Amino acid sequence: EAGVTQFPSHSVIEKGQTVTLRCDPISGHDNLYWYRRVMGKEIKFLLHFVKESKQDESGMPNNRFLAERTGGTYSTLKVQPAELEDSGVYFCASSQAGRSTDTQYFGPGTRLTVL
Amino acid sequence: GQNIDQPTEMTATEGAIVQINCTYQTSGFNGLFWYQQHAGEAPTFLSYNVLDGLEEKGRFSSFLSRSKGYSYLLLKELQMKDSASYLCAVRDLYTGGFKTIFGAGTRLFVKA
Repeated sequence: EAGVTQFPSHSVIEKGQTVTLRCDPISGHDNLYWYRRVMGKEIKFLLHFVKESKQDESGMPNNRFLAERTGGTYSTLKVQPAELEDSGVYFCASSQAGRSTDTQYFGPGTRLTVL
Repeated sequence: GQNIDQPTEMTATEGAIVQINCTYQTSGFNGLFWYQQHAGEAPTFLSYNVLDGLEEKGRFSSFLSRSKGYSYLLLKELQMKDSASYLCAVRDLYTGGFKTIFGAGTRLFVKA
């Protein structure tokens, strides 16, 4: 079974530019999560999709961040315009619906550097 | 509020046993996870506890005390490949659903 994949693995952009991160969850997983880890800090929740619907987006830092999951399969996270403090590793995770443990399987992350 | 504390770093010797502690404060506790993360890689699931007690899985065991807001991860027969960060995460229920809150992680160094 293929795991969660993310693209790109690394992205280096300049302040003010736009970047779009992609996540492909494990096939059949309805739950999809975005997290961010800033250097030296803990992994922080950004948002949660159930299929194509946003269940919880309380962790999104501000309106420069836009997440979509059209069709309920892969998801994109766009940062526009990027700021220096957006640098970090963005993780995506997915889990099956209806499972009490809700074990989340993580992707390898996208390391974003904003110069 | 929500808070998870775990030591920043630990060092142990190959073949030994190490215990990584985690304390948490949440309003709607609904389970505790331990993840292992090697540098530059994805966190991988190790264990899940929702009831008090010890869950054993091979060389790894995880313990939970809900009344104390406390968990530990026990690693036996340490191997060099166990050098990694270990993340404690708590699932917190709220009106709209649930979310997973992570600690900052404990970096474990296993030496020969």
